[in-house]
Amino acid sequence: DAGVIQSPRHEVTEMGQEVTLRCKPISGHNSLFWYRQTMMRGLELLIYFNNNVPIDDSGMPEDRFSAKMPNASFSTLKIQPSEPRDSAVYFCASMTGSLGYTFGSGTRLTVV
Amino acid sequence: GEDVEQSLFLSVREGDSSVINCTYTDSSSTYLYWYKQEPGAGLQLLTYIFSNMDMKQDQRLTVLLNKKDKHLSLRIADTQTGDSAIYFCAEREEDSSYKLIFGSGTRLLVRP
Repeated sequence: DAGVIQSPRHEVTEMGQEVTLRCKPISGHNSLFWYRQTMMRGLELLIYFNNNVPIDDSGMPEDRFSAKMPNASFSTLKIQPSEPRDSAVYFCASMTGSLGYTFGSGTRLTVV
Repeated sequence: GEDVEQSLFLSVREGDSSVINCTYTDSSSTYLYWYKQEPGAGLQLLTYIFSNMDMKQDQRLTVLLNKKDKHLSLRIADTQTGDSAIYFCAEREEDSSYKLIFGSGTRLLVRP
């Protein structure tokens, strides 16, 4: 099992550009979560899916953020247009049952 | 709303025991978790405890749960330099099958 796979590991982009972060959850995990981690705000839940359906997107900061899960093995988080304050580490995690999340290694996003 | 609080920093000498504390507010939490984050990595599940237990031991790790006081602790015996990391406490909401609420993390520094 390769775990939760995120890409890219690092992304540097200019303000105003579109950014797409990708996640492949563990096979058989039916819940997927996107988190953002910053020094100031810690870990923030942005959105989560259950069986590919978005359940709670109340943590998505603005309309510039959107997330999709077209099938059980793939999800994207898109920021358009990106701003410097979006700079953070974005984590994807998947889960099944009670054993807690399995996190990916994260994508470090820098918007200049 | 639900909240999970942790102290920000703990420093111990190698070989000593470390105790990391956490308080939570949701009395209906079903599971409580401890995660470890090493620099540049995602969060790794260390252990979890079900709310009807008061203690769980796993090798060098001991989790204590005081449900009356909503207090959770993680004890690491014979702390090693490789234990230096950020430790996150998390609770799973009763009325949301999959959502975890994370604390802000405790940075553990192990001095040689």
